Amino acid sequence: EAAVTQSPRNKVTVTGGNVTLSCRQTNSHNYMYWYRQDTGHGLRLIHYSYGAGNLQIGDVPDGYKATRTTQEDFFLLLELASPSQTSLYFCASRDWDAEQFFGPGTRLTVL
Amino acid sequence: GDSVTQTEGQVALSEEDFLTIHCNYSASGYPALFWYVQYPGEGPQFLFRASRDKEKGSSRGFEATYNKEATSFHLQKASVQESDSAVYYCALSPPMPNYNVLYFGSGTKLTVEP
Repeated sequence: EAAVTQSPRNKVTVTGGNVTLSCRQTNSHNYMYWYRQDTGHGLRLIHYSYGAGNLQIGDVPDGYKATRTTQEDFFLLLELASPSQTSLYFCASRDWDAEQFFGPGTRLTVL
Repeated sequence: GDSVTQTEGQVALSEEDFLTIHCNYSASGYPALFWYVQYPGEGPQFLFRASRDKEKGSSRGFEATYNKEATSFHLQKASVQESDSAVYYCALSPPMPNYNVLYFGSGTKLTVEP
């Protein structure tokens, strides 16, 4: 079964702070995704990638950057964090036309 | 744009009750439809999918049938258990060329009392 890990699991920062969330998958899946989860909104796609060096824009990209450095690693960057970015962030991966496998999530609080 | 609507934000049942969680979608053509389940403190887990009209997906006693005419994919289970308490998400993946993204509904929290 695919393994997706995320770090850190919890993060507290201040407004204007710089945050990097990390995601690693160990099954060499082509696609990787970053979502945020908020009550009443379900999961909303921020960015995704279909391979190292590739980046695609999702539905809620404002205030977020992302970078896929290798097949395994996908990072989400918040360069000027704001309280509206307080959320639970999930990373996921998938192979061609298969289901997505999710990581355990990172809870981010921006004070 | 493509979207999924789950009308029940919360459902409360007793063990052995029949479960229905409603899911309706808006998309052109034949999107793939999914159900995911999320337990507290975990990421969502794939439950099952269906890709064609009248196709039934099923797993762990849960099932749903793709209904193109009604644009629905309602989740059902004949007899719920306390261990089924979780948040359930309906999702769709559009037809080509955008099949590589998922659009999720807002989720339905199921609470099953013993």
